[in-house]
Amino acid sequence: GAVVSQHPSWVICKSGTSVKIECRSLDFQATTMFWYRQFPKQSLMLMATSNEGSKATYEQGVEKDKFLINHASLTLSTLTVTSAHPEDSSFYICSAISDRHSGNTIYFGEGSWLTVV
Amino acid sequence: AQRVTQPEKLLSVFKGAPVELKCNYSYSGSPELFWYVQYSRQRLQLLLRHISRESIKGFTADLNKGETSFHLKKPFAQEEDSAMYYCALRGGGFKTIFGAGTRLFVKA
Repeated sequence: GAVVSQHPSWVICKSGTSVKIECRSLDFQATTMFWYRQFPKQSLMLMATSNEGSKATYEQGVEKDKFLINHASLTLSTLTVTSAHPEDSSFYICSAISDRHSGNTIYFGEGSWLTVV
Repeated sequence: AQRVTQPEKLLSVFKGAPVELKCNYSYSGSPELFWYVQYSRQRLQLLLRHISRESIKGFTADLNKGETSFHLKKPFAQEEDSAMYYCALRGGGFKTIFGAGTRLFVKA
């Protein structure tokens, strides 16, 4: 199957700083990527849909100025958590639709743990 | 509104016993339904999708539009089936939403 890679796998940052998480499709082009957030023992919550070359589409209740998404190329989307606070600590997961696989299969990254101290 | 409901947070069965993980959905159109699995310390991966009507690792799931359900079944559970299972619904624009997940624990 296709491979989606996230970096970093885990990051600790100070309150008030910004942190960037990258999501890359390694062997396919992804015009659309999705960012999810998962709290411990809870389900994945869709944050936004990232579209290559255009603005991201955010879900209701997600602050677009706080969670900046940039999908500058067909293989890379970035999520920047700006002015991070401890309540932003979570597991962030990206997924991408593969154009190489029939049925538009969605592949997930391994996730990134963010801890804000 | 789109919604996926998995009523059981934890399901514990003995090895060799049948298992059924429940999933109900709410969607106004014709959705695509999926089951994803997450084994310990691994990423989320697709288990099966309703349009394929296939059996993966012995698991099957049938879409019942009348009951708006997509329950996951396996006749004989194995220890290696222990994992977190998520039911998911994809509507327009490939946007996928997930249920809360059910942790399956298969006891020896």
